[in-house]
Amino acid sequence: DTAVSQTPKYLVTQMGNDKSIKCEQNLGHDTMYWYKQDSKKFLKIMFSYNNKELIINETVPNRFSPKSPDKAHLNLHINSLELGDSAVYFCASSQSVYSGNTIYFGEGSWLTVV
Amino acid sequence: AQSVSQHNHHVILSEAASLELGCNYSYGGTVNLFWYVQYPGQHLQLLLKYFSGDPLVKGIKGFEAEFIKSKFSFNLRKPSVQWSDTAEYFCAMTYTNAGKSTFGDGTTLTVKP
Repeated sequence: DTAVSQTPKYLVTQMGNDKSIKCEQNLGHDTMYWYKQDSKKFLKIMFSYNNKELIINETVPNRFSPKSPDKAHLNLHINSLELGDSAVYFCASSQSVYSGNTIYFGEGSWLTVV
Repeated sequence: AQSVSQHNHHVILSEAASLELGCNYSYGGTVNLFWYVQYPGQHLQLLLKYFSGDPLVKGIKGFEAEFIKSKFSFNLRKPSVQWSDTAEYFCAMTYTNAGKSTFGDGTTLTVKP
């Protein structure tokens, strides 16, 4: 069983479209994250949720809207996609962000905006 | 602001060579430190971690790292690399109530057969 699963794995779309990436974790963790990895492999935190509550929003444009219906799910919706949004988006989870635990990553969603 | 610096952006080694990747962090309090590895086309996975206790920690696949508090460092080492160690290596830091882990910019390791 995959601990952190995200779909779709690959997504090619045109500028201006709206798209969503779904994420689920079956580890019973309290905290979930979205990270963005650009073409230079730099990994940046976008959002951090603890028990469905947003605790970190790292100056991400408001075109990106995360939603956490329960603590096992954290979806990412992106409006009006731009070329610069092309990246790999990793969902992740940890037992509790407040304890500084190990992060478990999903397999990534490769987004290409054309 | 808290940060993690990885000094080597790209390291190229021959098989059997020894490896040391540098990592320094910036934070004045107690930290948890990690090394994650990302094999080509895959997601990040934990290589090893330091929370407390023995500053020399051992991870998977023969990797180890040493926490030196006075130098704010957590360097990754392996005595003899293999071609299969070719990957991206990320150092990361977190601390109680941080709300997130802070990652370094990564080091690309290429091992030539």
